[in-house]
Amino acid sequence: DVKVTQSSRYLVKRTGEKVFLECVQDMDHENMFWYRQDPGLGLRLIYFSYDVKMKEKGDIPEGYSVSREKKERFSLILESASTNQTSMYLCASSPPGQGHGYTFGSGTRLTVV
Amino acid sequence: GENVEQHPSTLSVQEGDSAVIKCTYSDSASNYFPWYKQELGKGPQLIIDIRSNVGEKKDQRIAVTLNKTAKHFSLHITETQPEDSAVYFCAAFSGGSYIPTFGRGTSLIVHP
Repeated sequence: DVKVTQSSRYLVKRTGEKVFLECVQDMDHENMFWYRQDPGLGLRLIYFSYDVKMKEKGDIPEGYSVSREKKERFSLILESASTNQTSMYLCASSPPGQGHGYTFGSGTRLTVV
Repeated sequence: GENVEQHPSTLSVQEGDSAVIKCTYSDSASNYFPWYKQELGKGPQLIIDIRSNVGEKKDQRIAVTLNKTAKHFSLHITETQPEDSAVYFCAAFSGGSYIPTFGRGTSLIVHP
């Protein structure tokens, strides 16, 4: 069974902390994505990557950065966490080409206090 | 760019009834339309999809229809059960793009 694994289901961090959210996929997918999900706002794309060491800004990159040193791993970094970054974070991956095989992780619920 | 609108935002039905969720899209070049189900505390999971060369696709109690002329596609769930309660997202992929545009989601509540 193919998987996208997010290392933490729940995370509580303090304001100003540097936070790392990890995502690993075992499908040899080229593309990986980070979203945040908030009530009433749906899924908003933060960053995506189409290859190792490549990254592209999504719709809401401010306050975030990413790292992709290996094909299977895509990390989301909150340089200095703030309370408005409290949210559900979803990682996804997909093969090259379009659409089919787009797979989500189970999400990380981050609370910044 | 593509814009996807999804309605309704909340849908409440009795067990055994049918449920229909509709999405409209703006880019006529969009050609792949998946639907995702997200249960509480979990990530979205693909439940059915349709490509633009097909008008309808069924999988047991769920079906998706596509009207390319009107640029809308719909999810149909028949004989709803309490375990169908979840948030459902539609998405559209524009021709050549590997980045989906998602609808904002529909919270489906099935009352026993």
